[in-house]
Amino acid sequence: AQKITQTQPGMFVQEKEAVTLDCTYDTSDPSYGLFWYKQPSSGEMIFLIYQGSYDQQNATEGRYSLNFQKARKSANLVISASQLGDSAMYFCAMRDPGGGADGLTFGKGTHLIIQP
Amino acid sequence: EPEVTQTPSHQVTQMGQEVILRCVPISNHLYFYWYRQILGQKVEFLVSFYNNEISEKSEIFDDQFSVERPDGSNFTLKIRSTKLEDSAMYFCASSLQNQPQHFGDGTRLSIL
Repeated sequence: AQKITQTQPGMFVQEKEAVTLDCTYDTSDPSYGLFWYKQPSSGEMIFLIYQGSYDQQNATEGRYSLNFQKARKSANLVISASQLGDSAMYFCAMRDPGGGADGLTFGKGTHLIIQP
Repeated sequence: EPEVTQTPSHQVTQMGQEVILRCVPISNHLYFYWYRQILGQKVEFLVSFYNNEISEKSEIFDDQFSVERPDGSNFTLKIRSTKLEDSAMYFCASSLQNQPQHFGDGTRLSIL
């Protein structure tokens, strides 16, 4: 069974600082995908970044990067130069990509608050 | 940018009634999903749908639930005999094969 663990229920960070949100995963499948989603207080789920298990390089999307350490089974999200608008819930999720239609398994999330 | 749209944004229903949640996935996507998020909890997978049939479903998706793609654009989730514990945010998502899933803004379902 797949499992996602996010150990930080909440974080406070000063504006403009970098922040790392932790995510560890557990799966017996060699092929999988890892995702991060942002959920603002308005409730929508916004896709941020994706990392495939066979990708050689860490994924990056603008201010977001994924620190993928396969041996440790960790996929931490790094947000550089944090902004007030980054305040939200952040969810790490995993999917076995082999089937194409498999659902995502989500972690419990980290509530990030950016302080001015 | 194309997006997944869900209607209604908020649905209030009496316990025991049937409810239908509607979704219009991104037009060229092939895979469709429903998720549930009970207030304050994590997002839970319900069901995935591909090629006009259910591809995978979770333990939550029992006989009370059904999904349908009645035409070329809509994707619906039906919940029969609603219970208080069905109150949650329901998200629809869609994707291409092995691509990230894009979520709609959700329907908040309140069972009274």
